[in-house]
Amino acid sequence: AQKVTQAQTEISVVEKEDVTLDCVYETRDTTYYLFWYKQPPSGELVFLIRRNSFDEQNEISGRYSWNFQKSTSSFNFTITASQVVDSAVYFCALGSNQAGTALIFGKGTTLSVSS
Amino acid sequence: NAGVTQTPKFQVLKTGQSMTLQCAQDMNHEYMSWYRQDPGMGLRLIHYSVGAGITDQGEVPNGYNVSRSTTEDFPLRLLSAAPSQTSVYFCASKVDPYNEQFFGPGTRLTVL
Repeated sequence: AQKVTQAQTEISVVEKEDVTLDCVYETRDTTYYLFWYKQPPSGELVFLIRRNSFDEQNEISGRYSWNFQKSTSSFNFTITASQVVDSAVYFCALGSNQAGTALIFGKGTTLSVSS
Repeated sequence: NAGVTQTPKFQVLKTGQSMTLQCAQDMNHEYMSWYRQDPGMGLRLIHYSVGAGITDQGEVPNGYNVSRSTTEDFPLRLLSAAPSQTSVYFCASKVDPYNEQFFGPGTRLTVL
């Protein structure tokens, strides 16, 4: 079965703290893709990153970084020095042959950053 | 390039009414999907399409119909609305199965 688990429902931090959002996935496919999306309070869904199953290199983009570990089926997302504008719901998603052609999403983690 | 557009943005229906949520994309994407978003449930797949004339069911298809007569359009039909269909609906498209999905702005539907 295809599944994405985001165990953290809500996280609250104070500005400048680092925060890690966890994502664990399940798939029997050997080729698959993982995604993170951000949904700010305005409601739109914003693409952050796509990672394929053959590339386990960590990625850094400014204050954002992603840690992909196939051994633990995890694709965690870290925000360094969080800011109020990072407050949003963050979704992890899986794309694979077994999932069909649409993405399977986790339930999301709501991040609240206070000043 | 408008991307993925959805109409209407907001809609209130009475139980039993029917309506169609419109979705269009101008990126020539073959793959399109409909999701619903409910508090604490994430985004759940309703129906998807891999090209004109081809559709399939997702995780929560009951109460919804789709068709895909053109590459650009992928309407979602509610034949007899129920309060359980109160939700935010997102349409998405992508160029191939494994790439980024582009989402529309969403339609907030309330069924009384």
